[in-house]
Amino acid sequence: AQRVTQPEKLLSVFKGAPVELKCNYSYSGSPELFWYVQYSRQRLQLLLRHISRESIKGFTADLNKGETSFHLKKPFAQEEDSAMYYCAPFTSGTYKYIFGTGTRLKVLA
Amino acid sequence: EAQVTQNPRYLITVTGKKLTVTCSQNMNHEYMSWYRQDPGLGLRQIYYSMNVEVTDKGDVPEGYKVSRKEKRNFPLILESPSPNQTSLYFCASSFEPYTGELFFGEGSRLTVL
Repeated sequence: AQRVTQPEKLLSVFKGAPVELKCNYSYSGSPELFWYVQYSRQRLQLLLRHISRESIKGFTADLNKGETSFHLKKPFAQEEDSAMYYCAPFTSGTYKYIFGTGTRLKVLA
Repeated sequence: EAQVTQNPRYLITVTGKKLTVTCSQNMNHEYMSWYRQDPGLGLRQIYYSMNVEVTDKGDVPEGYKVSRKEKRNFPLILESPSPNQTSLYFCASSFEPYTGELFFGEGSRLTVL
């Protein structure tokens, strides 16, 4: 069965510290991978997508096909990064997005 | 302004009283989808639609219906709501889901008593 796991429900770090939000997936085929973010009182929005190899707001995500992981990283966390983060693989064969359970990131001053 | 609009944003209803949550997008997107968000369970897909008259089940379709008669609209129908359908619902759309991005509505908080 297709599954995506975000093992941490809550991650607290101090401002300026590195942060890594973990995402592991179990999928048949080759999914495309996305990270979505939900700031307080805002809509869910795309943070970054693997296919674009982009860095958004200082975040990057490395796809490790051997470990089937797509962890989100930022070298220096900022208070405005506090939000809920969702990992979302997508497979064109099924046209389904399956979101992880989410990780709440709290960046402490 | 390009957006996904859901209505109502908040609703309290009683068991068995049919209701419809509307979703409309003005971006000419072909792909539309519904999700429910529950504490500890994240976002779970209810139904999705690749285009007009083309819909398919997501992971939690039981108790829900959808229709896609027009490209811009994708209503979610609860024929006989039950308390376990109390949740926060999100509609989303995309031009091309594989390489594009999902645009989400603001959410509809539904309480079934």
